[in-house]
This record gives sequence, C-alpha cells and structure tokens, in this order.
Amino acid sequence: DTGVSQDPRHKITKRGQNVTFRCDPISEHNRLYWYRQTLGQGPEFLTYFQNEAQLEKSRLLSDRFSAERPKGSFSTLEIQRTEQGDSAMYLCASSSPSTLNTEAFFGQGTRLTVV
Amino acid sequence: AQKVTQAQTEISVVEKEDVTLDCVYETRDTTYYLFWYKQPPSGELVFLIRRNSFDEQNEISGRYSWNFQKSTSSFNFTITASQVVDSAVYFCALREETSGSRLTFGEGTQLTVNP
Repeated sequence: DTGVSQDPRHKITKRGQNVTFRCDPISEHNRLYWYRQTLGQGPEFLTYFQNEAQLEKSRLLSDRFSAERPKGSFSTLEIQRTEQGDSAMYLCASSSPSTLNTEAFFGQGTRLTVV
Repeated sequence: AQKVTQAQTEISVVEKEDVTLDCVYETRDTTYYLFWYKQPPSGELVFLIRRNSFDEQNEISGRYSWNFQKSTSSFNFTITASQVVDSAVYFCALREETSGSRLTFGEGTQLTVNP
C-alpha cells in the first residue's frame, strides 16, 4: 500500500488554460475527497465521491471545476479557463468504509500556479 | 454552522520545551468527530488522532497528548519535550454527523522547534 498518490506534484499554467489533476486513492478505499488549500490557510472541502458517485459538492466548486471518478478507483479534477485565484494546493484524500467515520488519508497534493 | 479556530498562527520553541496547540470548535451537532493533522514542508497531511464527541477521555501517545473538553469546546494538543522534527503546520479539524463526510479545518498553527 503506497498511500494516496497525486499527479502532477506541481503545475504552472497560463491564465485561461485548462488543467487536469489525477488522484489515486489507497486501494479498496471507496471514499475519495478533494480539498483546496491556499497559502496560510487550512484545507477547504471541494467534493466527495463514494465509489463512482459524486455525493457532495461545495459551493467553492464553480462551473469551471469538474471532478470525476469513472470506475470508482482514481479520480480527476479539471479546472477550465484557469484564473489567478485558482492558484492553490489541491489535496486528495481517501478513506475506508470499514470503520465508521474513520480518518481520511491525504496525498501530497498538486500545487497549481496560474500566471 | 461548523467552525474551527486555531488562534495561534505561529509558535516558536526551543528543543525539549513542552508546547500546547489550542483548538476551539463550534458545532450544533451532538455527535461529531475531531481530528489533528500534521503538515510537514512536503505538503502531505499526516493523520495524528481522531476523537469522538461522546468520548472525553484524554489520550497520550508517546510525546503527544490531547485534552478534549466539551464544556469549553476545546481539543488541545500538547507535545512534550519537543524535537526539531516536530516542526510543521498542525491542523485541527471537525466533522459533524449531519454534514456528511466533509472535514472543516482550522487555519493551522505553524510550529517551529529550534535546536
């Protein structure tokens, strides 16, 4: 078990471009979460999947953001027409259904810089 | 609405000193879960502890201890005999029973342990 894996670790993009991030959760974890963390702040919840179903979305997830988990394994987060305000660390986490309200395990994040 | 406050933005101590990180939370739920995470410079959030609202027992794990007091809505974290490797940002987080699986994080406390 190698933990939650995120790719890429860093991404620099020009304003207006689209970007896509990938998250591979811990195997057999059916719950997957995306958070966004700006400098000096705590992570903020974006969205949550149980298997392939997207069950919860924050109002932070604007129309330019879309997340998928097509086969209930890895997930992608796409940001269209990036803006400078999208610059942040995007964190993915997963948790197991085996224990009620168990802790979430986080990946190392993808740091996005929009120039 | 749920809220987590970590009033200490930065703390600096000398190695071997004890240090306490404060966490105050707000929730209307009677069932909730509190967490502490550590975020080293690498960026990955490392789970430290989970505490359920119906279990007010304090916990000790090596040099770490946690003091949960429902009467004051606090969940403080103490590191005894701090070490340089303890330097990181520490986040307190809350999950409410009625708000699904999302975690609400505080803004974090940057702990620097100097040799």
